[in-house]
Amino acid sequence: AQKITQTQPGMFVQEKEAVTLDCTYDTSDQSYGLFWYKQPSSGEMIFLIYQGSYDEQNATEGRYSLNFQKARKSANLVISASQLGDSAMYFCAMREDLYNFNKFYFGSGTKLNVKP
Amino acid sequence: DGGITQSPKYLFRKEGQNVTLSCEQNLNHDAMYWYRQDPGQGLRLIYYSQIVNDFQKGDIAEGYSVSREKKESFPLTVTSAQKNPTAFYLCASRMRTGASRHNEQFFGPGTRLTVL
Repeated sequence: AQKITQTQPGMFVQEKEAVTLDCTYDTSDQSYGLFWYKQPSSGEMIFLIYQGSYDEQNATEGRYSLNFQKARKSANLVISASQLGDSAMYFCAMREDLYNFNKFYFGSGTKLNVKP
Repeated sequence: DGGITQSPKYLFRKEGQNVTLSCEQNLNHDAMYWYRQDPGQGLRLIYYSQIVNDFQKGDIAEGYSVSREKKESFPLTVTSAQKNPTAFYLCASRMRTGASRHNEQFFGPGTRLTVL
């Protein structure tokens, strides 16, 4: 089974609007971490936001927030007030802490296009 | 500046030749990783190393080899046994001290390998 599932291969959003990128995960660990990365066309991976499984509040970093619904095993990324520079691939990733906290699992990504 | 360097940015090789991709970090990170990314796809783990002189196979290790003789360096060799080596290769690192709040992976700029 896939550890991380991103069901939206591509999305469009109008500049200045908010957009939600979906991510569901599969783990039996009680302790785990969830990450979102942005990959512009240059190829570099840029860390955006982190959510720990025991964090009671949803993580926020500037215009990025993570809508963490533990019971549903979802960790959606919300980008508020989209900008043209947000056009990129976005990857959700998970680290499981019980067996191997150094191994990360990545989803297949969502390509976001921000329209002017 | 602290960071991860990968060289070269673009690499062309003839079929049947082994090729070594360089990855160096000066972040004093313990764990290092190699990922492969095919066009429009997510990241797949090739190998990772948690400490010097130790490494583990990832999900697609066949046809690849690594070494970890120094903390700063984690070179990846793409051998002739790798049937379809043309891809984008990303190196990453992180602190080994595991299940703490952040400890995200930091990524290098990547090497685009084309086998002719």
